[in-house]
Amino acid sequence: GESVGLHLPTLSVQEGDNSIINCAYSNSASDYFIWYKQESGKGPQFIIDIRSNMDKRQGQRVTVLLNKTVKHLSLQIAATQPGDSAVYFCAENYGGSQGNLIFGKGTKLSVKP
Amino acid sequence: DVKVTQSSRYLVKRTGEKVFLECVQDMDHENMFWYRQDPGLGLRLIYFSYDVKMKEKGDIPEGYSVSREKKERFSLILESASTNQTSMYLCASSAPRGHYEQYFGPGTRLTVT
Repeated sequence: GESVGLHLPTLSVQEGDNSIINCAYSNSASDYFIWYKQESGKGPQFIIDIRSNMDKRQGQRVTVLLNKTVKHLSLQIAATQPGDSAVYFCAENYGGSQGNLIFGKGTKLSVKP
Repeated sequence: DVKVTQSSRYLVKRTGEKVFLECVQDMDHENMFWYRQDPGLGLRLIYFSYDVKMKEKGDIPEGYSVSREKKERFSLILESASTNQTSMYLCASSAPRGHYEQYFGPGTRLTVT
């Protein structure tokens, strides 16, 4: 099995509940942020992104909130499903022209049926 | 849809062997990246390339080299594999500046014995 989820903070939620996953980013100059989902045995998959000129962006069942004052990013998942079980991590672009991203360590989301 | 493929899902090599990990993307992306992912350490950038025959060191380039002879292909080379290079290796690609979303391959789990 995939060991990427070891040693990570874990969020356990009941199926149907809403989930909130938090991320503190490091660089106040970062202007772009992404949330990725990584299922066991797979590569990270893009979920949603947000630019620093916004404080909220919504997708299908997901919402990302950005608080630049405290350098905080959150991912909200509505009506969490068992298929949402995965490791979620945020990434920031610190302004490098080549699009380099700095990745957070991740949070493991576990959905109980 | 963007597709990033990696040559092997699982690989077992002996200490001292030369190891080649291949990555191919089909979206004509300029930027390509190699990361390793270890429990508790998250994604760490090894090397990246923003054009054919161009390469830049990431955060942990020691013990690795790369090759980008064609735009769609980015190879990671372990000149002399060591046990501390046992890890999950992830390749990613992205479009030029302003488009920071990185698309990941499925990963190669390398074990060095």
